[in-house]
Amino acid sequence: AQSVTQLGSHVSVSEGALVLLRCNYSSSVPPYLFWYVQYPNQGLQLLLKYTTGATLVKGINGFEAEFKKSETSFHLTKPSAHMSDAAEYFCAVSATRGSYIPTFGRGTSLIVHP
Amino acid sequence: SQTIHQWPATLVQPVGSPLSLECTVEGTSNPNLYWYRQAAGRGLQLLFYSIGIGQISSEVPQNLSASRPQDRQFILSSKKLLLSDSGFYLCAWMVGGRGSPLHFGNGTRLTVT
Repeated sequence: AQSVTQLGSHVSVSEGALVLLRCNYSSSVPPYLFWYVQYPNQGLQLLLKYTTGATLVKGINGFEAEFKKSETSFHLTKPSAHMSDAAEYFCAVSATRGSYIPTFGRGTSLIVHP
Repeated sequence: SQTIHQWPATLVQPVGSPLSLECTVEGTSNPNLYWYRQAAGRGLQLLFYSIGIGQISSEVPQNLSASRPQDRQFILSSKKLLLSDSGFYLCAWMVGGRGSPLHFGNGTRLTVT
């Protein structure tokens, strides 16, 4: 079984501040983890993914995420928020062998204040 | 490069009318195809997925149906729309195993009046 929990449906930061979006997962096998971003009225775009190897993963637009097995977490961070980062962010896990269906979190809306 | 086309971008339909949303993928072969729905303020709900021509798996019982008449074509249909069918419909594709990401279309905003 696999599941994803995104803590906080809304996160508000000031421009230039640290962005931290939280994602915890449950999995009975080594997971593959993803972060996607969705801008208004658009589809989701892949930000970054973790499969194997280095636990700190760098993605597009200055985002990165760290896989922490002991904490079953895959939090998304960015050192300095930009107004253009305002969007909906989804964490997803693919942790079932032979399955083609990732499980998505409910999403976190990032609000960036000037 | 691979691209995904989804249309129309917006649609307003009366209750009881039929629905047909189409999605096509270019630049890849034998993709897995998916239909998701987003209701306002809610997450992604998987409606259907397909791992091959003519093969459809339904995740949620409802008055919607899906078909895959060609390798890279995925169609979402309804014979009679309900108000509750309003939402943002997303098509996606994937190739490879579970470590591969989904690639999404730009969605269709459906409003049932």
